[in-house]
Amino acid sequence: SQTIHQWPATLVQPVGSPLSLECTVEGTSNPNLYWYRQAAGRGLQLLFYSVGIGQISSEVPQNLSASRPQDRQFILSSKKLLLSDSGFYLCAWKGTAHRYGYTFGSGTRLTVV
Amino acid sequence: GEDVEQSLFLSVREGDSSVINCTYTDSSSTYLYWYKQEPGAGLQLLTYIFSNMDMKQDQRLTVLLNKKDKHLSLRIADTQTGDSAIYFCAEEGYSSASKIIFGSGTRLSIRP
Repeated sequence: SQTIHQWPATLVQPVGSPLSLECTVEGTSNPNLYWYRQAAGRGLQLLFYSVGIGQISSEVPQNLSASRPQDRQFILSSKKLLLSDSGFYLCAWKGTAHRYGYTFGSGTRLTVV
Repeated sequence: GEDVEQSLFLSVREGDSSVINCTYTDSSSTYLYWYKQEPGAGLQLLTYIFSNMDMKQDQRLTVLLNKKDKHLSLRIADTQTGDSAIYFCAEEGYSSASKIIFGSGTRLSIRP
């Protein structure tokens, strides 16, 4: 069965520090991978998605970047965090079966102080 | 571009039915989804409906789709305290190419 792992679960970082969030998927190959951010009390904002190794599409210009160094690994990064980067970050994957939609990771709560 | 809209809050009495509504703009939508998010957790797929269907029932959940009006609803029968969560409507269509577009979520609270 397919599983998605996302870590860390919580993170407190000072303004100006770097960020690296990792997401890995098991049990599937060539998945579409996604990073979403959810600000407190808000909906989901699609940040990046990837349909293959090294292929990254950015949805909104911002202080973040994404990379896909391996088929089942998706990394969200920042060189210098801003206060506005605080939020709940969710990784998701989607296979070829549309009826299953996305499968989400458990999320990372990032607080920038 | 594509857009999905939902009301932000819904409060119902325990044991009553909850109806969460959603409208979308992409006429090429193929699959429409309902997700549930409990506090501090990721999103869990509750159910989906293919665009050529009008209704889908799954235990306490009933999904109604009015494709002409681009309106989707989720009915939860006999609402329980464990149903308290944020419910997201989402749609996927040919024009959204590999992306699922989410609504802003409806926070369902249950009154005793």
